[in-house]
Amino acid sequence: DAKTTQPTSMDCAEGRAANLPCNHSTISGNEYVYWYRQIHSQGPQYIIHGLKNNETNEMASLIITEDRKSSTLILPHATLRDTAVYYCIVRVAAYNNNDMRFGAGTRLTVKP
Amino acid sequence: DAGVTQSPTHLIKTRGQQVTLRCSPKSGHDTVSWYQQALGQGPQFIFQYYEEEERQRGNFPDRFSGHQFPNYSSELNVNALLLGDSALYLCASSLLGRADNEQFFGPGTRLTVL
Repeated sequence: DAKTTQPTSMDCAEGRAANLPCNHSTISGNEYVYWYRQIHSQGPQYIIHGLKNNETNEMASLIITEDRKSSTLILPHATLRDTAVYYCIVRVAAYNNNDMRFGAGTRLTVKP
Repeated sequence: DAGVTQSPTHLIKTRGQQVTLRCSPKSGHDTVSWYQQALGQGPQFIFQYYEEEERQRGNFPDRFSGHQFPNYSSELNVNALLLGDSALYLCASSLLGRADNEQFFGPGTRLTVL
């Protein structure tokens, strides 16, 4: 699976949009981009995933560049409860592949 | 609808001992994966169970073994515990059959090896 590169940490003001970048320059055509987050002392929580089109759900938006070498997770109106470690993962799209390669992630701190 | 549950929440063992951790998947899910998360690091994939068999395995020694029961619940066993096995052990469940299937994680079991 392709590796990802994320900034170690980021700050965001409460109520503002949080834009978390991820570089996955060696991504293959059959690999999805997934985002999970982990709030302190809890298990990771699924946020969103995509293949090549931009995606939006009730939690966030995922913007994938046309060449698929990078993506951005957008939390439109960050709250204090969004403070967490955010993981960007690329994973081969296969029905029997559950090997999620987590990196160190980005520690997002939302400040009042 | 219960999510993924794990037991126990915390566990303290000494070097050389054996430990068994348990996981019940989210209702409707048939696949269970286990991850190890050391302090300050992201989770590392240990293995995946489907139809009561190990289907995928990460880079972990044979001291790590597992089992899946007919009701889809699962156990993780670690033998001959080392200090380095101290970590948060996470269970994730999913439904086999979709290429982009998302995994739902439990709260984890915190294992401390003294």
